[in-house]
Amino acid sequence: SYELTQPPSVSVSPGQTASISCSGDKLGDKYACWYQQKPGQSPVLVIYQDTKRPSGIPERFSGSNSGNTATLTISGTQAMDEADYSCQAWDSSTVVFGGGTRLTVL
Amino acid sequence: QLQLQESGPGLVKPSETLSLTCSVSGDSIKSSSYYWGWIRQPPGKGLEWIGSIYYRGSTYSDPSLKSRVTISVDTSKNQFSLKLSSVTAADTAFYYCAREGRGVTILLDYWGQGTLVTVSS
Repeated sequence: SYELTQPPSVSVSPGQTASISCSGDKLGDKYACWYQQKPGQSPVLVIYQDTKRPSGIPERFSGSNSGNTATLTISGTQAMDEADYSCQAWDSSTVVFGGGTRLTVL
Repeated sequence: QLQLQESGPGLVKPSETLSLTCSVSGDSIKSSSYYWGWIRQPPGKGLEWIGSIYYRGSTYSDPSLKSRVTISVDTSKNQFSLKLSSVTAADTAFYYCAREGRGVTILLDYWGQGTLVTVSS
């Protein structure tokens, strides 16, 4: 089965740029999505089709996908961005999630 | 504004069947290009996709759960449901329903608030 791998945690200082990676075999040949999940809340789609932002998602969220790695980038990270982030792709018509990355803003 | 709401028992005994329903409001479950999915998350762990259904009844499910999963739809009630049989403690999780877009990609753009299901005697 297809697997996506994320680092368990990433730390960033306020105002700096945070990058969260998601690795999978030939992931660049597929489309990746990213979800933000704050404690006690449901996931929220923040990036889809590698680079697109849904309505209402701040411009500081961006994405890329090439080779075996998709990356979520948060520019000018704010305290409110502290959350768990999960990548998602699909393979053989089934949805696959990465294990999630906890972003800490300190 | 599309809203999804999960409902069902919060406690299920081992070996029994977990049953949940997702009620959809703000749009018809018959919307084209959308499937309706179930995702779970064990406390403190990552998201796991369970499966999804189209309003006409076609389904997809995760191969690791497929033998225990039944997903159905009731268009007259604008609802869809999940049944997971022969549950064990490993099935304890928050269960979410979501709208699943399937086109050039698959994405989950609207989620319910989630419901915690505990498997315990």
